[in-house]
Amino acid sequence: QKEVEQNSGPLSVPEGAIASLNCTYSDRGSQSFFWYRQYSGKSPELIMSIYSNGDKEDGRFTAQLNKASQYVSLLIRDSQPSDSATYLCAIYTGGFKTIFGAGTRLFVKA
Amino acid sequence: DVKVTQSSRYLVKRTGEKVFLECVQDMDHENMFWYRQDPGLGLRLIYFSYDVKMKEKGDIPEGYSVSREKKERFSLILESASTNQTSMYLCASSFGQGYTEAFFGQGTRLTVV
Repeated sequence: QKEVEQNSGPLSVPEGAIASLNCTYSDRGSQSFFWYRQYSGKSPELIMSIYSNGDKEDGRFTAQLNKASQYVSLLIRDSQPSDSATYLCAIYTGGFKTIFGAGTRLFVKA
Repeated sequence: DVKVTQSSRYLVKRTGEKVFLECVQDMDHENMFWYRQDPGLGLRLIYFSYDVKMKEKGDIPEGYSVSREKKERFSLILESASTNQTSMYLCASSFGQGYTEAFFGQGTRLTVV
């Protein structure tokens, strides 16, 4: 079992819909959780971080964390074609160890 | 704006060559990282450094070494390039203890032939 698992996709949603991206992890000691967005040919950039159970909202983005079930998700409301990218889940487990998932490719159709 | 700059966007090297990838950050960050990114495998940590002249192995250090002589510069060295080191290499930097937001460079696409 991989330490951080994401569905590779592609996930295709119509413009204006909600895109739901999921990530599961194996280390129960994981401390911090991050979502990065990576456009094709570009480097990753942080869009959300979450540290405690529950929801965290930032504009059209909502991160959800459930430590008991060991999953973290990212919801994108009112999806736009400009949201088309690969979304990487990153889990900080302590020290300097951060594990990245392989990413989920999202396509938003106009 | 935080800027992390990698010296080359694309590199083509021959098997057995010694390869240097350079990374410079301008935000006085303590921590610097080298990752490689391969399809289906995500980002894998090669080496990181939390201070000048300090380095720690990541998950896949074999075949690589690093150098950090100045705070702003972190170099990745492929001692003898092999075809299985063909990949996208990403440098990142971050501030403070533990893990906070990492700022990435634009990446170097290395092809070893």
